[in-house]
Amino acid sequence: GAVVSQHPSWVICKSGTSVKIECRSLDFQATTMFWYRQFPKQSLMLMATSNEGSKATYEQGVEKDKFLINHASLTLSTLTVTSAHPEDSSFYICSARDYRNTEAFFGQGTRLTVV
Amino acid sequence: KNEVEQSPQNLTAQEGEFITINCSYSVGISALHWLQQHPGGGIVSLFMLSSGKKKHGRLIATINIQEKHSSLHITASHPRDSAVYICAVGYEKLTFGTGTRLTIIP
Repeated sequence: GAVVSQHPSWVICKSGTSVKIECRSLDFQATTMFWYRQFPKQSLMLMATSNEGSKATYEQGVEKDKFLINHASLTLSTLTVTSAHPEDSSFYICSARDYRNTEAFFGQGTRLTVV
Repeated sequence: KNEVEQSPQNLTAQEGEFITINCSYSVGISALHWLQQHPGGGIVSLFMLSSGKKKHGRLIATINIQEKHSSLHITASHPRDSAVYICAVGYEKLTFGTGTRLTIIP
């Protein structure tokens, strides 16, 4: 089946630094990818929708200047957490839709810890 | 009230038992997803359905569009089925339930 690879699986960074998370669709072209965030014991919340070749669409309350999303190709989207703060510590996960079969495929997720 | 409600929140059962997890939603949908999240956090898509019933191995998912309700069943449960099961509605942009934590005891 279709595979979405997310890297890194975990990262620890210092406050004030930036962290980039990659999401790749390995065997299909994903015109749209989605970025979610999950705080402990809470459900996933959509942060933004990433469309190839255009600006991402952010959900209400998500700072676009803090969470930079780039979707430069049909197989790669990146999320950069800029000037990270401890409250940004969370589990970030991407998903991509394979337009051939309409299922949603998820990456393995990235656990970010900001110290 | 959440748009997607799951029950139970936690479920512990003995190996071999038949498991049912329920999902009710309050919005009109084009599709409903059942997802499995393991302790490490990774998510696997189990089913996407918009009507009727789907079966994959020991897993069965049903949906009743009129009643806005879906169930996920696991037959002959096994400890490796222990995970959080999440119901989500939508086609591309998903709205998630809070999940059901399933623990299967050997």
